[in-house]
Amino acid sequence: GAGVSQSPRYKVTKRGQDVALRCDPISGHVSLYWYRQALGQGPEFLTYFNYEAQQDKSGLPNDRFSAERPEGSISTLTIQRTEQRDSAMYRCASSSLYTEAFFGQGTRLTVV
Amino acid sequence: KQEVTQIPAALSVPEGENLVLNCSFTDSAIYNLQWFRQDPGKGLTSLLLIQSSQREQTSGRLNASLDKSSGRSTLYIAASQPGDSATYLCAVRPNGSARQLTFGSGTQLTVLP
Repeated sequence: GAGVSQSPRYKVTKRGQDVALRCDPISGHVSLYWYRQALGQGPEFLTYFNYEAQQDKSGLPNDRFSAERPEGSISTLTIQRTEQRDSAMYRCASSSLYTEAFFGQGTRLTVV
Repeated sequence: KQEVTQIPAALSVPEGENLVLNCSFTDSAIYNLQWFRQDPGKGLTSLLLIQSSQREQTSGRLNASLDKSSGRSTLYIAASQPGDSATYLCAVRPNGSARQLTFGSGTQLTVLP
């Protein structure tokens, strides 16, 4: 596609529910990144993939968070048993191996 | 652990002024530094990318400089316009195989007409 696409744009969920956030990167981009951004802060790294391989997941805050990119294109970030502290903007970015990252518009997650 | 700091956190200027936004980082072993613009409800837009071997990059009214040894970068905006109002973020990518960016908290800029 023309840009990085994230869906849904907004998600309101009840505490304890699982949510899945989707990222569709720019076509042909090898690398895909997930970040989380709290209000008034910069994005914080969660995890990233090269092709379908998860290269680094050191930023995932706990084992309720997981991500996959099974075919090296679309990625899903899953949060199990959501808590209010999970409320944030979740941002996805993609890049080719040697170029800058391009960000999607983000998914605003609110846990009530 | 890399830390990125942006000063000031917020800035308000009258239209037409030239201004400078500051970014500092604690670990000078960076691959590149990137300046982004963030508008409410929208994604991050990349403004300028400076490789570690470069000293500055220019795009239109924007000029970004990098002093890697001192851990500093500045974003200079000439002849500011109300449309420049946004949050500006700087981010660094480390050397080596790690490719994730470490961001500052941003400077919220308001240009008054």
